[in-house]
Amino acid sequence: AQSVTQLDSQVPVFEEAPVELRCNYSSSVSVYLFWYVQYPNQGLQLLLKYLSGSTLVKGINGFEAEFNKSQTSFHLRKPSVHISDTAEYFCAAEIKAAGNKLTFGGGTRVLVKP
Amino acid sequence: GAVVSQHPSRVICKSGTSVKIECRSLDFQATTMFWYRQFPKQSLMLMATSNEGSKATYEQGVEKDKFLINHASLTLSTLTVTSAHPEDSSFYICSALSGTDTQYFGPGTRLTVL
Repeated sequence: AQSVTQLDSQVPVFEEAPVELRCNYSSSVSVYLFWYVQYPNQGLQLLLKYLSGSTLVKGINGFEAEFNKSQTSFHLRKPSVHISDTAEYFCAAEIKAAGNKLTFGGGTRVLVKP
Repeated sequence: GAVVSQHPSRVICKSGTSVKIECRSLDFQATTMFWYRQFPKQSLMLMATSNEGSKATYEQGVEKDKFLINHASLTLSTLTVTSAHPEDSSFYICSALSGTDTQYFGPGTRLTVL
């Protein structure tokens, strides 16, 4: 079975500062990896995904993530955050060729302070 | 592109009644849709996989007779919560699987059972 762990439940950060959200996964087989953002009372919006190829993935809104197979990590980064980045962020993993089911991490709440 | 809608966005019902939630893929066809449940300040839990033209596949612990899923067309899946009770109150989110094997999420439906 696979699992996804987001090490930080909450990350406060000042506006224009960088932020990193940590995500580790455990799986005995190859996985696809995703980061989603959820604004209050809304569904999830895809930020970026890693399927194969380059380990550095660029997404929307200035976010990027790096896949590290040896460390089984997929950390999300943004060099300079805005107030509007205040939201809940979810890392998710999908086992390749296993029915597209996503396993989500517990989420990280990012609070951007002015 | 890849827009998924849900209706209603919010519903309040009395205990013992049934509630139907619709999930539509607006600009793409989806043979597979997923239904999730999210408790406050928690992650998403997959309830079931909805496949067009066939029976849904439920995750362990999810009562199929309580959460009826129908995927009658390539753009519509419905979740009916039958004989709802207060413990069924939650945020229900659907997603639709695109042709690129990416899940696009609806905005969610908040169900409150009195």
